[in-house]
Amino acid sequence: AQSVTQPDIHITVSEGASLELRCNYSYGATPYLFWYVQSPGQGLQLLLKYFSGDTLVQGIKGFEAEFKRSQSSFNLRKPSVHWSDAAEYFCAVGGGGSYIPTFGRGTSLIVHP
Amino acid sequence: DAGVIQSPRHEVTEMGQEVTLRCKPISGHDYLFWYRQTMMRGLELLIYFNNNVPIDDSGMPEDRFSAKMPNASFSTLKIQPSEPRDSAVYFCASRLTLGEQFFGPGTRLTVL
Repeated sequence: AQSVTQPDIHITVSEGASLELRCNYSYGATPYLFWYVQSPGQGLQLLLKYFSGDTLVQGIKGFEAEFKRSQSSFNLRKPSVHWSDAAEYFCAVGGGGSYIPTFGRGTSLIVHP
Repeated sequence: DAGVIQSPRHEVTEMGQEVTLRCKPISGHDYLFWYRQTMMRGLELLIYFNNNVPIDDSGMPEDRFSAKMPNASFSTLKIQPSEPRDSAVYFCASRLTLGEQFFGPGTRLTVL
């Protein structure tokens, strides 16, 4: 069975600081990996995805993530956080023929001015 | 493209009443998903359809929940009778076979 762990429930950073959100997954084969962002009162929006190829993936809004198979991780990074990045972030893993994703519990990002 | 459309955006009802949530997926998408989001349980997959056929409903919590997809452009999630513990945000999402999921804005359901 596939699963996702986001160890941090809340992360607080100052505006302009760098950010790393952690994601660990469990999957028996090569996974498909996703990061979504959810702003208050909104649905989830895809930030980036990894299917194959380059393990460093660039996404929207200046985010990137790196797939590390040896660590079963897919951490999300951003070099300089903006106040508008405050939101809930979800990591998801999928695979198999229909790759139905399993979502983590999410990490709430708080940005201090 | 209007994206995934859900209605209503907010629903307040009393315990025991029937609730129907509606979803219009993105045109051409062949997968449709219903999720429930709560603070306690996070984002749960309730059911998903492929080409209008229900594939996996193992996430549907009880027989009080049912979902249909009569055609490629419409799906409903029904709760009958509703209970206070059904209060949550319900999301619909759609996607192509090999693509990302696009989520609707959600329906916030409150059962009193």
